[in-house]
Amino acid sequence: QVRLQESGPGLVKPSETLSLTCTVSGGSISGYYWTWIRQAAGGGLEWIGRIYSSGSTNYNPSLRSRGTMSLDTSKNRFSLKLTSMTVADTAVYYCARVGESSTWELDSWGQGALVTVSS
Amino acid sequence: DIQMTQSPSSLSASVADRVTITCRASQTISFYLNWYQQKPGKAPELLIYAASVLRRGVPSRFSGSGSGTDFTLTITSLQPEDSATYFCQQTLNSPHTFGQGTKVEFK
Repeated sequence: QVRLQESGPGLVKPSETLSLTCTVSGGSISGYYWTWIRQAAGGGLEWIGRIYSSGSTNYNPSLRSRGTMSLDTSKNRFSLKLTSMTVADTAVYYCARVGESSTWELDSWGQGALVTVSS
Repeated sequence: DIQMTQSPSSLSASVADRVTITCRASQTISFYLNWYQQKPGKAPELLIYAASVLRRGVPSRFSGSGSGTDFTLTITSLQPEDSATYFCQQTLNSPHTFGQGTKVEFK
């Protein structure tokens, strides 16, 4: 069974860049789409974007071009960078795998990484 | 973006009750609708995809229906472990937007 684990700083200062990594174990990163989701206090889920194992990406326009995803197939992991962080970016960030059906369901999730933006 | 509206926002029910949660899309999304369950402090977990396909291992008391703009998640006999927040997600168009969630609690 595939397992995902987010890692990164728990605290980021305003205007700085967030860097998160999702390490995948129990399965290959190749041949799948991988996504980032975040959840602010209050509960709503926001789709940040996705990356295919080829490196092609698709981002939520709400990020206003602040997000960049990449992957490292040799280390079986993928990453998210989010620039110009503000307090509004404070959230739990999840990485997830897109399943194998044609409906883009998220069938495996990491446990989540809390990121707080504060000076 | 496609807006997803769930109702109710919360509900209170008893063990063995039948529970229905609805999700409405702001435009037609065919069957590109997934349902997730999230328990406090945990990541969401996939329950149903393609509007009505039960994920392997998910109890059969969960079911999904609908197509187009109106969808339903039904729990036929509510169990204590079903206390959670349920989210729908459309995946027809990017960004793949979620409903605001429905919190299911016990009376």
